[in-house]
Amino acid sequence: AQSVTQLGSHVSVSEGALVLLRCNYSSSVPPYLFWYVQYPNQGLQLLLKYTTGATLVKGINGFEAEFKKSETSFHLTKPSAHMSDAAEYFCAVSPSGSARQLTFGSGTQLTVLP
Amino acid sequence: DSGVTQTPKHLITATGQRVTLRCSPRSGDLSVYWYQQSLDQGLQFLIQYYNGEERAKGNILERFSAQQFPDLHSELNLSSLELGDSALYFCASSVRPGLAGETQYFGPGTRLLVL
Repeated sequence: AQSVTQLGSHVSVSEGALVLLRCNYSSSVPPYLFWYVQYPNQGLQLLLKYTTGATLVKGINGFEAEFKKSETSFHLTKPSAHMSDAAEYFCAVSPSGSARQLTFGSGTQLTVLP
Repeated sequence: DSGVTQTPKHLITATGQRVTLRCSPRSGDLSVYWYQQSLDQGLQFLIQYYNGEERAKGNILERFSAQQFPDLHSELNLSSLELGDSALYFCASSVRPGLAGETQYFGPGTRLLVL
């Protein structure tokens, strides 16, 4: 079985500061990893994903994440936070095989302070 | 806008009732997924359909059922509703399972409130 742990259910940063949202996964096989963002009263939007190849993945809105197999981590970062980044962020893992349902972490609510 | 549509946006009903949630996938997508988001359980996978056939099952209650029709839209049926079924129900679609790291595109969700 696969699982995802997101450390910190709430993270606050100042506008312009570094954003770091932590995600660790558990998987018996190389996983596919995703970060989704959910704005209030909206669905989930894909920020970025890791499948194979380059371990540093760049996504939308200036976000990036690095797949570290040795640490079983896929932390999300952004060099400079904007007020518009305030949202809930979900890390997810997808198993190999023909069914690709996502297993989500519990989410991290990001607050950006002026 | 992801291209996935869900109706209705909001649903208020009483315990013991039955409701149907509808999802239309993005044009060209053959696979539909249903997820439940609640405060206590978080985001959980319920069930997946691919081209009309059930492909995978997650933590879906026996009171819940789903199907995917020939036009590829899907319906999630929730019956004998309980207070604990109150949640946000998301539908997602993708081209087809089996593609490495395929992206699932999520709809805006249906918010169900059981009173």
